[in-house]
Amino acid sequence: KAGVTQTPRYLIKTRGQQVTLSCSPISGHRSVSWYQQTPGQGLQFLFEYFSETQRNKGNFPGRFSGRQFSNSRSEMNVSTLELGDSALYLCASSLVGQGNTEAFFGQGTRLTVV
Amino acid sequence: TQLLEQSPQFLSIQEGENLTVYCNSSSVFSSLQWYRQEPGEGPVLLVTVVTGGEVKKLKRLTFQFGDARKDSSLHITAAQPGDTGLYLCAGATSNTGKLIFGQGTTLQVKP
Repeated sequence: KAGVTQTPRYLIKTRGQQVTLSCSPISGHRSVSWYQQTPGQGLQFLFEYFSETQRNKGNFPGRFSGRQFSNSRSEMNVSTLELGDSALYLCASSLVGQGNTEAFFGQGTRLTVV
Repeated sequence: TQLLEQSPQFLSIQEGENLTVYCNSSSVFSSLQWYRQEPGEGPVLLVTVVTGGEVKKLKRLTFQFGDARKDSSLHITAAQPGDTGLYLCAGATSNTGKLIFGQGTTLQVKP
């Protein structure tokens, strides 16, 4: 069974640009969550999508957005990039909603903003 | 605001020693998960505890969920260099995908 796949693995962007990250969940998982990981703040929850609807949202500015497609694949977008957006962005999928909150993570996308 | 306080933040020990990592909160969690993360990789799920007082063992790792489901601990017996990594606890408070993470414990086991 394939795991969670995130693309790309690495990205370098310039301040002011926008970026789109992609996540393919484990087959059968309908919940996809996104997290930002930085050395200073640890893992912080961005948002969760379930059946194409945003179900939860963390405390991030509106520059951070996402969506989910009918096949459960998800994308997150960050507009007007700032230096502080440099981080490891992690996607997790789970069977939540079916009595199981266990989250399985992808390898992450390392975003560097210069 | 729900918080998970994880301690210690850093731990450097010799091979063969025992250690315990703690995860504490004032909030009640419906379940708590422990992950291990290698540099540049995503966290890998080690265990999930659901019932207050539950104890689970994974080889030399023992996980415990507090009776009130507000805290958890991870105990490693006879640590080995292969145990080196970042250990994270994460709590779920509802039947959604949102997890609250502790700050993590960086463990270094020296041969």
